[in-house]
Amino acid sequence: GAGVSQSPSNKVTEKGKDVELRCDPISGHTALYWYRQRLGQGLEFLIYFQGNSAPDKSGLPSDRFSAERTGESVSTLTIQRTQQEDSAVYLCASSPSPNLGNTIYFGEGSWLTVV
Amino acid sequence: GDSVTQMEGPVTLSEEAFLTINCTYTATGYPSLFWYVQYPGEGLQLLLKATKADDKGSNKGFEATYRKETTSFHLEKGSVQVSDSAVYFCALSSSGSARQLTFGSGTQLTVLP
Repeated sequence: GAGVSQSPSNKVTEKGKDVELRCDPISGHTALYWYRQRLGQGLEFLIYFQGNSAPDKSGLPSDRFSAERTGESVSTLTIQRTQQEDSAVYLCASSPSPNLGNTIYFGEGSWLTVV
Repeated sequence: GDSVTQMEGPVTLSEEAFLTINCTYTATGYPSLFWYVQYPGEGLQLLLKATKADDKGSNKGFEATYRKETTSFHLEKGSVQVSDSAVYFCALSSSGSARQLTFGSGTQLTVLP
């Protein structure tokens, strides 16, 4: 597609439920990133995928968070047993490669509210 | 580790006023520097970037110069418009962590007619 596509755009879930967020990167982009943006705060890095290499999971806040990517295409971010502090915008981004200075393109985000 | 400190908001200006949003950074090596903008209800968009010292990034009337000596990348615009109202994020990508961007906390700008 023309840009990074994320779904759902909005999700309200009950505390304790699992949620799955989807990201379609720009075609041909080998690098894919997930970030979290809490209300009024900057972006927190969550996880990074580059081609078929092992993902960099250093930003995942707890073992309730996991992500997968199929080859160089779609990625899903899963949050198990959601908590209220998980409420945030989850942003996916992609870039042609991880080379320094490469532009990273963001999706519009998935707005998650845990009630 | 890498970090970005940017001017706290919110910033409120009248149309045609001069804008400066300060950004300083700490990084290993020689980072690339970025300004991203988030308009209401939209995703983050790259506004401009600079990849080496003394480079000036510019776009849509906004400018920022990569100052290695002061580790700064301040965003400026000579005459803001109502349509510039948004949240602005300074970010860096360094040789020590080329896999990810490190963001500042964002500065909310509101331009009044």
